[in-house]
Amino acid sequence: NAGVTQTPKFQVLKTGQSMTLQCAQDMNHNSMYWYRQDPGMGLRLIYYSASEGTTDKGEVPNGYNVSRLNKREFSLRLESAAPSQTSVYFCASSELSFGDRELFFGEGSRLTVL
Amino acid sequence: DAKTTQPNSMESNEEEPVHLPCNHSTISGTDYIHWYRQLPSQGPEYVIHGLTSNVNNRMASLAIAEDRKSSTLILHRATLRDAAVYYCILKEGFQKLVFGTGTRLLVSP
Repeated sequence: NAGVTQTPKFQVLKTGQSMTLQCAQDMNHNSMYWYRQDPGMGLRLIYYSASEGTTDKGEVPNGYNVSRLNKREFSLRLESAAPSQTSVYFCASSELSFGDRELFFGEGSRLTVL
Repeated sequence: DAKTTQPNSMESNEEEPVHLPCNHSTISGTDYIHWYRQLPSQGPEYVIHGLTSNVNNRMASLAIAEDRKSSTLILHRATLRDAAVYYCILKEGFQKLVFGTGTRLLVSP
């Protein structure tokens, strides 16, 4: 099983460029999440989607937009990339967003903004 | 957001048990205690979770204090592959996981 698949795995952008990180899960999960992880730090939630058709802001949503395209796919868009957005981005999914449901994470997308 | 406190790092020898502590004094009655780990250059991986009672699975055991203000993740026999950052997280009911900085576990042969 593929689980949670993120593309691309690596990307280098120039300041001001835009790009979209793609995430897909094949576990029929309802909830999906985007996190970022800066060097030496824990993960911080950017946006999440509790169910298809809904999205909500997390801790650090500024500079990002998301789209829950369908139940399988949840994309993260940087409209005008800034060096502060250099980070590793992780997508995750869970059956539901209740307290007793585990999250499954992708392998990450490493983004560098010059 | 309810907070957790973990030591920055811990060391263990291979094949010895490891007890990773976590304090969460502001935990609410509906918060689940989750543990994840992150191996180098990988995404976090679920380890175990519980609410009130101690829990066991194939990876680890979770011991929860009676007042729920602290918990301990127990790896019964550490291996080199267990070297990772371990995150103790409170899952806030219908909401998302909020990660702290975790405990870096070093395992020596």
